[in-house]
Amino acid sequence: DSGVTQTPKHLITATGQRVTLRCSPRSGDLSVYWYQQSLDQGLQFLIQYYNGEERAKGNILERFSAQQFPDLHSELNLSSLELGDSALYFCASSAMGTGELFFGEGSRLTVL
Amino acid sequence: DQQVKQNSPSLSVQEGRISILNCDYTNSMFDYFLWYKKYPAEGPTFLISISSIKDKNEDGRFTVFLNKSAKHLSLHIVPSQPGDSAVYFCAASEVYNAGNMLTFGGGTRLMVKP
Repeated sequence: DSGVTQTPKHLITATGQRVTLRCSPRSGDLSVYWYQQSLDQGLQFLIQYYNGEERAKGNILERFSAQQFPDLHSELNLSSLELGDSALYFCASSAMGTGELFFGEGSRLTVL
Repeated sequence: DQQVKQNSPSLSVQEGRISILNCDYTNSMFDYFLWYKKYPAEGPTFLISISSIKDKNEDGRFTVFLNKSAKHLSLHIVPSQPGDSAVYFCAASEVYNAGNMLTFGGGTRLMVKP
């Protein structure tokens, strides 16, 4: 158990819809990261937050947005969903100053 | 532009033998490298890391080697065990860039046969 909690574990929705994925980081970790893994491919970095502020941005689509709340949990919002958005979405957290990220079990999104 | 590449999508080895997983990178600003292991239906878990000031780091059966001039690193597992069967991801970061953001390779699926 990494200490990072993601909900929901599975989500099935239709094209054009909007979903929200939630992540609770490990206790004490200020940084939260979102990664996308499509079809057994590598993990693509989407976005990072540190203590409520956006810190780094990867290849995140404009239809996607995220935020980190004062209690440090984070949400990833995916809108106008397309079939190609079907993927595993991982959240990770870390304590700044260390190189290791701790990953949650992921949220599997299926867009039909 | 894939900055971290794992050119072997899969590898099969016999139990007790050595497993060697390879990773190449292109960004010369990377100076911290990690290996993660991923089982099905689980998130990636940290395995071992190496800083660019070293060329080798060992942890039990796992050793990571770094060749900075070749921009190449490898993970050696000796001896390999069936429980090592998983997908292994190589990752890299620029330590001073945006706090630990990791760039991952595409992964290598390791199968250890009993």
